[in-house]
Amino acid sequence: DAKTTQPNSMESNEEEPVHLPCNHSTISGTDYIHWYRQLPSQGPEYVIHGLTSNVNNRMASLAIAEDRKSSTLILHRATLRDAAVYYCILRALYNFNKFYFGSGTKLNVKP
Amino acid sequence: DAGVTQSPTHLIKTRGQQVTLRCSPKSGHDTVSWYQQALGQGPQFIFQYYEEEERQRGNFPDRFSGHQFPNYSSELNVNALLLGDSALYLCASSTMTGNSNQPQHFGDGTRLSIL
Repeated sequence: DAKTTQPNSMESNEEEPVHLPCNHSTISGTDYIHWYRQLPSQGPEYVIHGLTSNVNNRMASLAIAEDRKSSTLILHRATLRDAAVYYCILRALYNFNKFYFGSGTKLNVKP
Repeated sequence: DAGVTQSPTHLIKTRGQQVTLRCSPKSGHDTVSWYQQALGQGPQFIFQYYEEEERQRGNFPDRFSGHQFPNYSSELNVNALLLGDSALYLCASSTMTGNSNQPQHFGDGTRLSIL
């Protein structure tokens, strides 16, 4: 399974943008980049995914480097409810839903 | 529309015992995956069920087994419990397609404590 590397923790102020980085230098051409987050005492929650182009949805934006060896999850205005562990996951095409989770980045949002 | 539901939410067992955890997938989903999450770590893939068969398996011993029923619900069984089996057990559901775009939906897990 292709691996991802994320910082252990990050801190942000409320209502400011947050950029969560992820390195995936061994990504293959058919790997999708998925982001999930896990709030305290809950299961992981889908945030966003992409293949090559940048993606936007109501929760966040995903910026993917041109060589696809890194990506950045962008929360445009962090709220206290965004405090969670964020996981960057590479998902191989036709891998039948087997996810490899790393240790993730714990995001702390200060009021 | 109910999401993924797991039962029980908490469970306490002693070493050597056996445990069964249950999962009902999100409506419309036919594939169930199980994960083990130790404290402070990311979830680790145990196995996946589709069409009542185990399709993929992670690096877990045979003490971990499962089952999927015709209504797509699933059970995770762990025999001969060890202290190291203490963890949050997560169930995730999705549809079986060849498209990796389909997100998985996770339940809130069963917290298993081994004494």
